[in-house]
Amino acid sequence: KAGVTQTPRYLIKTRGQQVTLSCSPISGHRSVSWYQQTPGQGLQFLFEYFSETQRNKGNFPGRFSGRQFSNSRSEMNVSTLELGDSALYLCASSLGTGGGPLHFGNGTRLTVT
Amino acid sequence: DQQVKQNSPSLSVQEGRISILNCDYTNSMFDYFLWYKKYPAEGPTFLISISSIKDKNEDGRFTVFLNKSAKHLSLHIVPSQPGDSAVYFCAANAVDNFNKFYFGSGTKLNVKP
Repeated sequence: KAGVTQTPRYLIKTRGQQVTLSCSPISGHRSVSWYQQTPGQGLQFLFEYFSETQRNKGNFPGRFSGRQFSNSRSEMNVSTLELGDSALYLCASSLGTGGGPLHFGNGTRLTVT
Repeated sequence: DQQVKQNSPSLSVQEGRISILNCDYTNSMFDYFLWYKKYPAEGPTFLISISSIKDKNEDGRFTVFLNKSAKHLSLHIVPSQPGDSAVYFCAANAVDNFNKFYFGSGTKLNVKP
């Protein structure tokens, strides 16, 4: 079974630009969550999508948004990039019902200059 | 607000000995806990979980202990192997919060040959 796939792996953007990150979950998984990891920090929850609906949201500004498609693939968008947005962005999928662990992709390393 | 804390940023252990990684949480509503291992340039890999109805869960060399009254969990690795050298994260959530997990900041384990 293929794991969680995130593209691209690396991204360099300039302050003020916008960026879209993509995540393909494990087949059969209907929940996709996004997390941000910065140096020295744990993973910070951004949002979760389940069956194309945002089910939960973390404490991030509105510049961070996402969506989920009918095939469970998800995209995350960050607009008006700031230097502080430089981080590893991790996507995780799970069945979404009845508990169970999150399964992570290898992340997208975003650098904002 | 950091609801999950890993107070030891690093731990060094001799090969063959026991590694004990600790995690504390503040939210008494948390009822599901996970441990992840993370190598550089890879996403976190799920290791083991425990729900609040248990106080111990074992999987091979890995055992997680949960002390609900102390709001504390620990991961024991016996025997430790050099390949276990990685950053370990604990995570917690409340089941009615779907997949919004709170992560600790991680403990870097170094297992010396």
